Amino acid sequence: GENVEQHPSTLSVQEGDSAVIKCTYSDSASNYFPWYKQELGKRPQLIIDIRSNVGEKKDQRIAVTLNKTAKHFSLHITETQPEDSAVYFCAASLSRTGGFKTIFGAGTRLFVKA
Amino acid sequence: GAGVSQSPRYKVAKRGQDVALRCDPISGHVSLFWYQQALGQGPEFLTYFQNEAQLDKSGLPSDRFFAERPEGSVSTLKIQRTQQEDSAVYLCASSLGGQLLSGANVLTFGAGSRLTVL
Repeated sequence: GENVEQHPSTLSVQEGDSAVIKCTYSDSASNYFPWYKQELGKRPQLIIDIRSNVGEKKDQRIAVTLNKTAKHFSLHITETQPEDSAVYFCAASLSRTGGFKTIFGAGTRLFVKA
Repeated sequence: GAGVSQSPRYKVAKRGQDVALRCDPISGHVSLFWYQQALGQGPEFLTYFQNEAQLDKSGLPSDRFFAERPEGSVSTLKIQRTQQEDSAVYLCASSLGGQLLSGANVLTFGAGSRLTVL
């Protein structure tokens, strides 16, 4: 089955710096890659996603890139702010007959120091 | 409803007790998923439904875990003879489902049910 590896497990940056989180997946049939942000004690919330027919997508300070050949994708946060501090999860989703299945990485705890 | 609702939010069980966790998905969402999230870990897939059909239950850790969605809406995750290792947050998520249309496989999560087994 699908396996998603995520690095680093912890990331600490200074406010205003950029943060990059990287993920790899194992199943080349996966075709949808969402990123979720989870604040302490809260539910995961979708922040951005990318489909396999696109190499890059940007939404204000957040961007995702996808390399299908290498089976890896990355989240880039620019001009980080203290409120970006949270756990970020990447995921890979595989469409199957009648539905799909989403597998998550182990998460990256991002600390943004003011 | 407006979002995914889960109950109870917190459940403390003695080892060996049975528990039932409920998920009420967004109205009209065809797909429903259960995940287990241990402290400091990512959500681990347990099972998913397309309407009332359970299409994949490969993530259920043992035969003590059972999930159902009899009418294609509300789902219940049941854990029999709970063990300490079952302590975790159980997250339910729903999505429009179906084919890979825009937004069809975006997961919306509930707040989770935190299970503590003593």
